[in-house]
Amino acid sequence: GQNIDQPTEMTATEGAIVQINCTYQTSGFNGLFWYQQHAGEAPTFLSYNVLDGLEEKGRFSSFLSRSKGYSYLLLKELQMKDSASYLCAVIDSNYQLIWGAGTKLIIKP
Amino acid sequence: DSGVTQTPKHLITATGQRVTLRCSPRSGDLSVYWYQQSLDQGLQFLIQYYNGEERAKGNILERFSAQQFPDLHSELNLSSLELGDSALYFCASSDGAGEVNEQFFGPGTRLTVL
Repeated sequence: GQNIDQPTEMTATEGAIVQINCTYQTSGFNGLFWYQQHAGEAPTFLSYNVLDGLEEKGRFSSFLSRSKGYSYLLLKELQMKDSASYLCAVIDSNYQLIWGAGTKLIIKP
Repeated sequence: DSGVTQTPKHLITATGQRVTLRCSPRSGDLSVYWYQQSLDQGLQFLIQYYNGEERAKGNILERFSAQQFPDLHSELNLSSLELGDSALYFCASSDGAGEVNEQFFGPGTRLTVL
């Protein structure tokens, strides 16, 4: 079967750095997305990785290792507004998007 | 604002009833996706349409059906509703058939079944 694993919940401090991991086992791989979702709101796109390595976009960076079936989202200089769920999603060999259950990130002052 | 619209925003109904949720994709997007998200749960993919045709099916119950019309808007029909159908229903759109395309999500319809 296809599986995406993320931690259920993480807590971090305002101003700090946090890394949210995502491991996947899918039938094929055609890319990986990270989305942010605030409670009760729609998910919004953060990043897309298809090649190994780090993609940096402001305070957010996303890393991919295809050989390890692993990705992480790195959030720097955490702000209270970063409190949200972070969803990892993988495009499989049929170009279907497989979603993880999401990681709820709690930021404390 | 993603450009994807969904109506209604909230819907309260009783068990056994039938409802229709509506979605208009971003201008130019041909694909529409429907998702269900129960309280504190992840996104469950229901179904995808591309240019009027069903493209992919996920964990969609037989009581649920969807279609995409020639103007590309889509409707999700939920029938014989049960308490467990209470959830946020999101529609998303993309400009491709499902290749590497970012999905843009609408604000969702919150369905409450009493």
